[in-house]
Amino acid sequence: KAGVTQTPRYLIKTRGQQVTLSCSPISGHRSVSWYQQTPGQGLQFLFEYFSETQRNKGNFPGRFSGRQFSNSRSEMNVSTLELGDSALYLCASSLEGGVSNYEQYFGPGTRLTVT
Amino acid sequence: GENVEQHPSTLSVQEGDSAVIKCTYSDSASNYFPWYKQELGKRPQLIIDIRSNVGEKKDQRIAVTLNKTAKHFSLHITETQPEDSAVYFCAASYSGGGADGLTFGKGTHLIIQP
Repeated sequence: KAGVTQTPRYLIKTRGQQVTLSCSPISGHRSVSWYQQTPGQGLQFLFEYFSETQRNKGNFPGRFSGRQFSNSRSEMNVSTLELGDSALYLCASSLEGGVSNYEQYFGPGTRLTVT
Repeated sequence: GENVEQHPSTLSVQEGDSAVIKCTYSDSASNYFPWYKQELGKRPQLIIDIRSNVGEKKDQRIAVTLNKTAKHFSLHITETQPEDSAVYFCAASYSGGGADGLTFGKGTHLIIQP
């Protein structure tokens, strides 16, 4: 099976702009989670989607949003970019995310640089 | 919310020796504890996980132990090899009915000295 894929891999944006990142989960996986990785804060949970519904959300401002499509592909959007949004954005997919299917598999990430 | 502390932040061991990384968590409701390995410039890779109904799990040279009473869990790597050099992250979550996000420790940079 193909692994989790993310596009684009690298992105450079200017403060105030918005950005959309895409994630395609492993075939058959219905849950997609998003994480932000920075040297200072480490890996932090953004949100999780299952069956096109956001089920859980981390402690990030409303500028960070996401959605999931019927084929389980997910996008996350960051509006009004700030310098502090520079990070590696990782998505992870899991079979269901329920009681029996916890394992999350990560994509390669999108490296976002805000200038 | 959940808080995960991980120690040490850097660990240097001689090739062939064992390495132990320790994590503590705060939320007694957490029931799933995975460990990820991340090599420089690569994605985190799940190497082993343990659920709260199990005290120990082993996979070849890697083992994880869980002490629910003390709310801590540890990763043990035996007979370390150069390819074990990486950053290791522990995490905790509760997934009673949906996928709660993983709460990660800050990571341990494991260095295997030849």
